[in-house]
Amino acid sequence: DGGITQSPKYLFRKEGQNVTLSCEQNLNHDAMYWYRQDPGQGLRLIYYSQIVNDFQKGDIAEGYSVSREKKESFPLTVTSAQKNPTAFYLCASSSRTGGNSPLHFGNGTRLTVT
Amino acid sequence: AQSVTQPDIHITVSEGASLELRCNYSYGATPYLFWYVQSPGQGLQLLLKYFSGDTLVQGIKGLEAEFKRSQSSFNLRKPSVHWSDAAEYFCAVAGTGANNLFFGTGTRLTVIP
Repeated sequence: DGGITQSPKYLFRKEGQNVTLSCEQNLNHDAMYWYRQDPGQGLRLIYYSQIVNDFQKGDIAEGYSVSREKKESFPLTVTSAQKNPTAFYLCASSSRTGGNSPLHFGNGTRLTVT
Repeated sequence: AQSVTQPDIHITVSEGASLELRCNYSYGATPYLFWYVQSPGQGLQLLLKYFSGDTLVQGIKGLEAEFKRSQSSFNLRKPSVHWSDAAEYFCAVAGTGANNLFFGTGTRLTVIP
């Protein structure tokens, strides 16, 4: 079955450490996205990528970095510059960019930084 | 600017009762509208979408939503709720841009026997 795989499901890190969250899709989708979810705040866009080797900042990109070296992979690095990194992170993809292309989501990674 | 409002943070309904989850949007043109559902600790699953045409759209799990342009609303309905419907529901609005998808803050549905 095609889908999006996020790993690990739970991640614990000490403050000051960078951490990378994995996102892999086998849907052959061009566009991929990273969202952050906090209780009561819905989903906020961190970064998105329309094609390989290209990505754009979303609404809350500060303290995060991404790469898109392969079509199927879009890892997210949470750097030590992110002031409040503890959150639930969701990766998504769509067949093309544009508002009429629904998003397909992975099952998320819960990051806890202490 | 685009925005989505889900005025109900938490709704409790009895199993078998009808359900309506409210969603109001702000967008300058005809929007693309979506409803997603999220179970605890999981990702979001698409329930239904409205792009154009018939304003009453059918989705999975017996759900439907009606687009009312005059009220800027896209409410989600189900005639009879099952215990398995308990989850968090998100409304989203999009325009034509690549990152132009805005989510509401969600409504958590609790179903009681």
